[in-house]
Amino acid sequence: NAGVTQTPKFRVLKTGQSMTLLCAQDMNHEYMYWYRQDPGMGLRLIHYSVGEGTTAKGEVPDGYNVSRLKKQNFLLGLESAAPSQTSVYFCASSPTSGRALAKNIQYFGAGTRLSVL
Amino acid sequence: EDQVTQSPEALRLQEGESSSLNCSYTVSGLRGLFWYRQDPGKGPEFLFTLYSAGEEKEKERLKATLTKKESFLHITAPKPEDSATYLCAVQPVYNFNKFYFGSGTKLNVKP
Repeated sequence: NAGVTQTPKFRVLKTGQSMTLLCAQDMNHEYMYWYRQDPGMGLRLIHYSVGEGTTAKGEVPDGYNVSRLKKQNFLLGLESAAPSQTSVYFCASSPTSGRALAKNIQYFGAGTRLSVL
Repeated sequence: EDQVTQSPEALRLQEGESSSLNCSYTVSGLRGLFWYRQDPGKGPEFLFTLYSAGEEKEKERLKATLTKKESFLHITAPKPEDSATYLCAVQPVYNFNKFYFGSGTKLNVKP
């Protein structure tokens, strides 16, 4: 059981380039999230999805777009990367049933380390 | 504004030396408070959920407690394998899908 898988693990971009980060989960979870983690600032929510075909803005959505075309996948896009988007990006998913729901557990991937030069 | 503050930023302990980590929060109605552990180069891993003041949860050497304004993660007789960054997060009642994380406490337990 792989859980939450993020690709790629590392990436270096030049300012203005675009890229897509992929998050895949095999736990049949409805809810998925994208966070960024910066030193001294903790995890901040970028966008989230409560189900296939739905997305919503989080705390820091500017400069990012997302899509949830399939239940198991949640894509994060950077259309024109900026140095301020240098960060570690984490995807998470959470269930809508079972004991894990009662605890509101989020399951995180291992992260994507992105540098924008 | 909803926010979470964790202290200290870093903590060094000798093996067996018990201590506590603090998580202070302000939120417009608390649905849940969460503790996660994060190892270097990995994603956060769930530890506890607390829902109401006075609630306590335990797991091995860790015990989490909750009051109306803060939570503590007590570490009893820590071992080197407890070394990690511990993150606290709050979930507001007005949006179950928004989680506000603190910046974490980096714990280093020396043998």
